Amino acid sequence: SQKIEQNSEALNIQEGKTATLTCNYTNYSPAYLQWYRQDPGRGPVFLLLIRENEKEKRKERLKVTFDTTLKQSLFHITASQPADSATYLCALDEGNTGFQKLVFGTGTRLLVSP
Amino acid sequence: DTGVSQNPRHKITKRGQNVTFRCDPISEHNRLYWYRQTLGQGPEFLTYFQNEAQLEKSRLLSDRFSAERPKGSFSTLEIQRTEQGDSAMYLCASSARLAGDEQFFGPGTRLTVL
Repeated sequence: SQKIEQNSEALNIQEGKTATLTCNYTNYSPAYLQWYRQDPGRGPVFLLLIRENEKEKRKERLKVTFDTTLKQSLFHITASQPADSATYLCALDEGNTGFQKLVFGTGTRLLVSP
Repeated sequence: DTGVSQNPRHKITKRGQNVTFRCDPISEHNRLYWYRQTLGQGPEFLTYFQNEAQLEKSRLLSDRFSAERPKGSFSTLEIQRTEQGDSAMYLCASSARLAGDEQFFGPGTRLTVL
């Protein structure tokens, strides 16, 4: 069966450290993968998209890697800040639908302590 | 604010009642999506519109659910004869292009069925 897995346990780190979140998928062959941030009571906000032919992508303090052999994406936040505390969702296109039909992981909650 | 808006933000209803939610996408976006999100889970795809045409419906969308986008602008999602299992956050998103583009999410409508 098709699955997208993210660590359901919250990740607690100290301010200034690097947070690393994992997204694993099975039985998908996505052309790209997206990461979203979601704050409590709000809709997800797009952060980054990485394509299958890209190994790594960066945006300010964010870095995403995509390993299609391991079927895994890693999401890094360097020099983390308390304001980075949120739930982070990975999503990929289910494919073969003719439109962008996103399938989301369960999300990982990140807590950054001052 | 030119983002995606949803109304109402919260809805409490009794089992068996009908409810209707509205989504106003970003004005130039011709693609509109509805998702449902329960606690601790990522958003689950419900349905997709391209302009006024509803092109895809998830099997999650029972006969009690109906969505419309009459003029290719705003959309409504109606749930008839609500059940307690319908309690969730209903999210709307819009996008401008086909593949690989980010989806812009609204703040969601939280439905509680008593």
